[in-house]
Order: sequence, then structure tokens, then C-alpha cells
Amino acid sequence: EPEVTQTPSHQVTQMGQEVILRCVPISNHLYFYWYRQILGQKVEFLVSFYNNEISEKSEIFDDQFSVERPDGSNFTLKIRSTKLEDSAMYFCARSIYRENSPLHFGNGTRLTVT
Amino acid sequence: ILNVEQSPQSLHVQEGDSTNFTCSFPSSNFYALHWYRWETAKSPEALFVMTLNGDEKKKGRISATLNTKEGYSYLYIKGSQPEDSATYLCASPGLTFGQGTILTVHP
Repeated sequence: EPEVTQTPSHQVTQMGQEVILRCVPISNHLYFYWYRQILGQKVEFLVSFYNNEISEKSEIFDDQFSVERPDGSNFTLKIRSTKLEDSAMYFCARSIYRENSPLHFGNGTRLTVT
Repeated sequence: ILNVEQSPQSLHVQEGDSTNFTCSFPSSNFYALHWYRWETAKSPEALFVMTLNGDEKKKGRISATLNTKEGYSYLYIKGSQPEDSATYLCASPGLTFGQGTILTVHP
């Protein structure tokens, strides 16, 4: 089964800068998710996206975060003004159904904010 | 989003040993329980998705059981091999993940 492709694999940015993380899932999966893992901590849910709309978001997903699917293919996570504590591994995932089908994860983008 | 807890946090076993670990989750509003295996430098890989109380699933030497009434699931590995070394994650309501169990299998 095709993998979810995430780009870039590693992004280094300065505090206060905007970053855009990209994910290319296969087209017949309806549900998309962003998760992150800060080093040494648990995987944290950020947001789920269905039918071109946010369906659920966590308290982490504040106003500095946004998601969109600008061209019906790429699924992007934008962080408007990065903070040091945004440094983490960010995973995109997709699934056919909401909860009773498995998540298929991309290989992740390691974001380092300096 | 409610808490999903996994235990133990880490586990060291010898090759050939059988082992198991636990995922506990809020039993109210249960929909599905997911198990994933996460090897270093890779992305999490789905093992099982379980939805029914009493469900038992098996994939090779790995199996899992589910008790939705009391809110726990067990993952079993029979005859552990070094290649089983990974972090095992479970996820439930709202796809909230537990902190994982790090399994190390020593040759």
C-alpha cells in the first residue's frame, strides 16, 4: 500500500518564523490527521480533517496552527509563528473511516526551532 | 480527550520469552482501540483495530484482547525476537495515544 509522503523530512527554522509542513496522502482516504511527538513524550493529537474541514482539534491546536488541503491533494499544517516548544516530530496520518480503520502514518517531519 | 494509559513504560526480555503489556482507556463512549508498533526511525505501523468487547485478534506471534466494559486491552507477543524491539502504542477514544511501552528483546 502506498505510503503517506511527508515533506520536508527535516526543517530547521528560527523562532517566530512561519513553517508549512506537507503531506501527500492517497486520494481515496477521507480522514486526515496531524500528530506530533516532542522528544521523550507521548504522541499527541493535533487535528483531524474530513471533507475539507476540521472535524476535531486538541487544545494544542491554537490560533498559530492551521490546516488546509489547497489543491485537493496536498494536506498542509502551517505554524504561523514558531516557538521553541514547537520543536517536535510531526506526523501526518490518513484513514478510510474515522476510528474503526487503522491510521497510516507518513515518515514524519522533524521540526527544529532555534 | 480522555487519558489512555499504558504499562509498563518499558520492558526488557530475552529472546524466546513471551511477554504482554496493557492499555487501559476510558470505557465510556468507546468506539475502537488501536495498537501500533513504532520502530526507531520509522513511522508507527498499525497492528490491530478492535471494536467489539471480547474481541481477540492475532497477527503471527502477536495477539491482542479487548475488554470494553472494564476498559483495557492486552497485547501479547509469543516467543519474542530481537526484531520485535519497538515502542508499542495503543490509541482509543478520539484516537488519543498512550505513552507507549518500549520493548527491548535481548538476543
